[in-house]
Amino acid sequence: DILMTQSPSSLSASVGDRVTITCRASQNISKYLNWYQQKPRKAPNLLIYTASSLQNGVPSRFSGSGSGTDFTLSITNLQPEDFATYYCQQSFTTPTWTFGRGTRVEIK
Amino acid sequence: EVQLVESGGGLVQPGGSLRLSCEASGFTFSSYSLNWVRQAPGKGLEWIAYISSRGGTTYYGDSVRGRFTISRDQAKSSLFLQMNSLRDEDTSVYYCARSRGMFSYFDYWGQGTLVTVSP
Repeated sequence: DILMTQSPSSLSASVGDRVTITCRASQNISKYLNWYQQKPRKAPNLLIYTASSLQNGVPSRFSGSGSGTDFTLSITNLQPEDFATYYCQQSFTTPTWTFGRGTRVEIK
Repeated sequence: EVQLVESGGGLVQPGGSLRLSCEASGFTFSSYSLNWVRQAPGKGLEWIAYISSRGGTTYYGDSVRGRFTISRDQAKSSLFLQMNSLRDEDTSVYYCARSRGMFSYFDYWGQGTLVTVSP
């Protein structure tokens, strides 16, 4: 199985900050990496697919980059509604998938 | 509007069985593959089962293979998860999620249904 390692596991930031979350795959997954946002007691919401494509309706302050084994989710001008947990997911092995363990973004 | 609505969760004893349902609307059901993803309390997301758009192909995660069965009813636009031999560690919120094609992602999710396995 492909192991997805996210870092950090949590971070504290202020409104207006730029935040970067990284995800590393245990083997080459090309560009097949997706990012989800989850708020407490809610279902996950797709933000970014195939490493850098923004899902319809997602604000442009979210962006993704990377290929191979190393990927990044960036949030510029952090907004109050962005405080949540973020998960990466590899889809290289579709129709099986693995998720990272999540990064919790908290208010400083 | 795409909607996925899960039901069937509840409290069950270890060793027991439960059947979850996910009713879909707002899209051509037979054109999409579907999945079950679960989340234990305070933990991360775990993909556990996949079924192809026509229902002929299924895949399972190691933790549930041989105990859980995914199925779909095209006429009722519904997805199911039959869970047998339940264990304490199966306690989770269970989500259904839509996917499509190669290297696919989950673009719509249901709200989840809680399964608690406890004596």
